[in-house]
Amino acid sequence: GAGVSQSPSNKVTEKGKDVELRCDPISGHTALYWYRQRLGQGLEFLIYFQGNSAPDKSGLPSDRFSAERTGESVSTLTIQRTQQEDSAVYLCASSSLPGTVYEQYFGPGTRLTVT
Amino acid sequence: AQSVTQPDIHITVSEGASLELRCNYSYGATPYLFWYVQSPGQGLQLLLKYFSGDTLVQGIKGFEAEFKRSQSSFNLRKPSVHWSDAAEYFCAVVANSGGGADGLTFGKGTHLIIQP
Repeated sequence: GAGVSQSPSNKVTEKGKDVELRCDPISGHTALYWYRQRLGQGLEFLIYFQGNSAPDKSGLPSDRFSAERTGESVSTLTIQRTQQEDSAVYLCASSSLPGTVYEQYFGPGTRLTVT
Repeated sequence: AQSVTQPDIHITVSEGASLELRCNYSYGATPYLFWYVQSPGQGLQLLLKYFSGDTLVQGIKGFEAEFKRSQSSFNLRKPSVHWSDAAEYFCAVVANSGGGADGLTFGKGTHLIIQP
């Protein structure tokens, strides 16, 4: 079946512009996660959606970052007034219901370059 | 909050030799533990996971990992590496409270180089 998809695969933007990154989770997966991977670094957790519950935003690095999710489907990560330090690969993951032995399935990522 | 340490940034191994990648975690209880692999231009792929039970877990591609509570470690091993194993390897943990549904905490990764 289809995996997690993300678009665009690459995005180059000028400093100060806003960007939107999209994630389509695996069908039926209720949990959705966003991570950031800076060059040569591990992944940093950004935000987590589970069903209709309020999202866990504890990992968002600043108020320039926000994310939305439509029901249990598509999610959009928005970065306002981009800075050069926002350059990274942004990864989305989805998983099935918690309460079972679960694992996160990752998309291919969006490489964001802020010039 | 949990944390993960991967002490080796780079490891070079000859093809056919054995491999061990180290991972230490910090968490008040037994977390859920994972190893992921990221090949150049590829997404993250789950190699194996530990939730409970047998402390030696088998994964895909011939990898295994052993959970050692006394050492807070979850080292990844493979008896004989192949050139295709060259990649970045990440250890990750998540708290087991709430069904482990929180975001994963990753180590900084170990870059594996395979010598012919």
